Amino acid sequence: EDQVTQSPEALRLQEGESSSLNCSYTVSGLRGLFWYRQDPGKGPEFLFTLYSAGEEKEKERLKATLTKKESFLHITAPKPEDSATYLCAVQARETSGSRLTFGEGTQLTVNP
Amino acid sequence: DAGVIQSPRHEVTEMGQEVTLRCKPISGHNSLFWYRQTMMRGLELLIYFNNNVPIDDSGMPEDRFSAKMPNASFSTLKIQPSEPRDSAVYFCASSLLVEQYFGPGTRLTVT
Repeated sequence: EDQVTQSPEALRLQEGESSSLNCSYTVSGLRGLFWYRQDPGKGPEFLFTLYSAGEEKEKERLKATLTKKESFLHITAPKPEDSATYLCAVQARETSGSRLTFGEGTQLTVNP
Repeated sequence: DAGVIQSPRHEVTEMGQEVTLRCKPISGHNSLFWYRQTMMRGLELLIYFNNNVPIDDSGMPEDRFSAKMPNASFSTLKIQPSEPRDSAVYFCASSLLVEQYFGPGTRLTVT
């Protein structure tokens, strides 16, 4: 069974204080690892897809990296508007199907 | 693009009533997903369709839940009869390739 574990559950940062969120996964053949951002009362918003170990993707203050066992979402010099819950999900390499298995998320709060 | 559209945004109903949630996927997308999100269980896949055909409904909790996709631009998730434990936020998502794009969700409260 595919499993995704995110840590920490909650993270509070001061504006400008860089940090990283962790996503550990177990999957029978990784097709893709996905990062989403979710604001309160809204649906998850797609951020990145990573396909293979060593791959990196960047968007503004966010950078996602992938190893064979985990992914990190690095946040550089965060701003209050980066406050949200960040979700990680994996998709297994199957002959058919598009099932995503989500982690519980990391709730990030950035204080001004 | 308007994104994934869901209705209603909020639904409050009494136990035993039928509830129908609606979803319009992004035009051109060929896969549609229904998820449920709760504090206890997080985000769970209920069912997904590919080219309007149900592919995996193993996440549907029980026979009270049913989903249909009569055409490429519309899907429904029905709960009959509803129970208080069905209270959650229900999301619809669509995709063309790999990435899934989520709608704003329907917050369902069953009293």
